[in-house]
Amino acid sequence: GEDVEQSLFLSVREGDSSVINCTYTDSSSTYLYWYKQEPGAGLQLLTYIFSNMDMKQDQRLTVLLNKKDKHLSLRIADTQTGDSAIYFCVGGYNKLIFGAGTRLAVHP
Amino acid sequence: DTGVSQDPRHKITKRGQNVTFRCDPISEHNRLYWYRQTLGQGPEFLTYFQNEAQLEKSRLLSDRFSAERPKGSFSTLEIQRTEQGDSAMYLCASIPTEPLTNEQFFGPGTRLTVL
Repeated sequence: GEDVEQSLFLSVREGDSSVINCTYTDSSSTYLYWYKQEPGAGLQLLTYIFSNMDMKQDQRLTVLLNKKDKHLSLRIADTQTGDSAIYFCVGGYNKLIFGAGTRLAVHP
Repeated sequence: DTGVSQDPRHKITKRGQNVTFRCDPISEHNRLYWYRQTLGQGPEFLTYFQNEAQLEKSRLLSDRFSAERPKGSFSTLEIQRTEQGDSAMYLCASIPTEPLTNEQFFGPGTRLTVL
């Protein structure tokens, strides 16, 4: 069935870049998304990429998509403590298919 | 705050009791989704509505679960004879009639604890 896999933890130093990787199986997704979840807060769309794009840049965020390998990555430049959260790689066309989430910890 | 509200935010119940959750989507959104998120996992799709019609149900939605959206606005999710395994965060999301990117707008969730 449809599946999304991502690493569970990432720890980075403040100011460094963070890269969160994801692989997916569903080829029908028109869009692929990154959602962010902070403690006590709801899920928030961080960014997305259209399936026929290779890269999308949005301020400190860069999304790379390799359709051949079904690999998606999210790079956060100049990571700040406020970026500490769980990041979900998400596919799916109608119903969303979430990965288990990568917990990003940013330390001084 | 996305504009999607859920009530209650927390519910503690004893095993075997029935519970009902409510979701109010953004007013002009005609599609409404329910997801369940257990600890350490991503949300899993349960069911969705287009207006008042329930169009798809996951196999996760056992016979003890029922969802309604009677007037195509708010929705309710009822769990009968709750079990400890039902303990989770129940999330509601909505999407506009003509979405640009299929972005789903999530509510804050209802956290259910079954004792």
